[in-house]
Amino acid sequence: SAVISQKPSRDICQRGTSLTIQCQVDSQVTMMFWYRQQPGQSLTLIATANQGSEATYESGFVIDKFPISRPNLTFSTLTVSNMSPEDSSIYLCSVRVSYNEQFFGPGTRLTVL
Amino acid sequence: RKEVEQDPGPFNVPEGATVAFNCTYSNSASQSFFWYRQDCRKEPKLLMSVYSSGNEDGRFTAQLNRASQYISLLIRDSKLSDSATYLCVVDKANNNDMRFGAGTRLTVKP
Repeated sequence: SAVISQKPSRDICQRGTSLTIQCQVDSQVTMMFWYRQQPGQSLTLIATANQGSEATYESGFVIDKFPISRPNLTFSTLTVSNMSPEDSSIYLCSVRVSYNEQFFGPGTRLTVL
Repeated sequence: RKEVEQDPGPFNVPEGATVAFNCTYSNSASQSFFWYRQDCRKEPKLLMSVYSSGNEDGRFTAQLNRASQYISLLIRDSKLSDSATYLCVVDKANNNDMRFGAGTRLTVKP
């Protein structure tokens, strides 16, 4: 299994600012993912962040808006840049520890005013 | 067509009822299938994997029909604690990504 923590757990931000979300895992993992979950919706994959390579972004998400760092096998950050109210969502970090199981962090609840 | 589609729900059932959720997926090459459970304001957690032969875990039974690209989850003898949103998850074939359905919300009432 994997225990994942995220910081901050929630934040309220002004439009035009940026927020960096941190994800810490209690074990070394190769595959780490960032998801967004908007109210009442399911999870949408933003990007896959593997250590030692550039993050791979899904359609509709770009590096300039959501830059990601993956400096080592236990840590990653996601930045939500130049925020607008449409970015209000829950952002979840996730890791794959085996082919059959994916664990999620508790999420960061972001509100953009 | 969405990659993973689920019954939208919500399902409101009395305690002790049997309830079934359905899920269809679009990519015939998908190999891995899961049901996740998400409680309100919590992160998703793996409920069970779905195997080709079907599998059971206590009151929960998952089945896969590859020909119809269909997955199901059956909950018997529902408990109040089963109230949650159930997410159908399918791998994106030849890729390590998982695709999540929109979820089916279940409320079990006394």
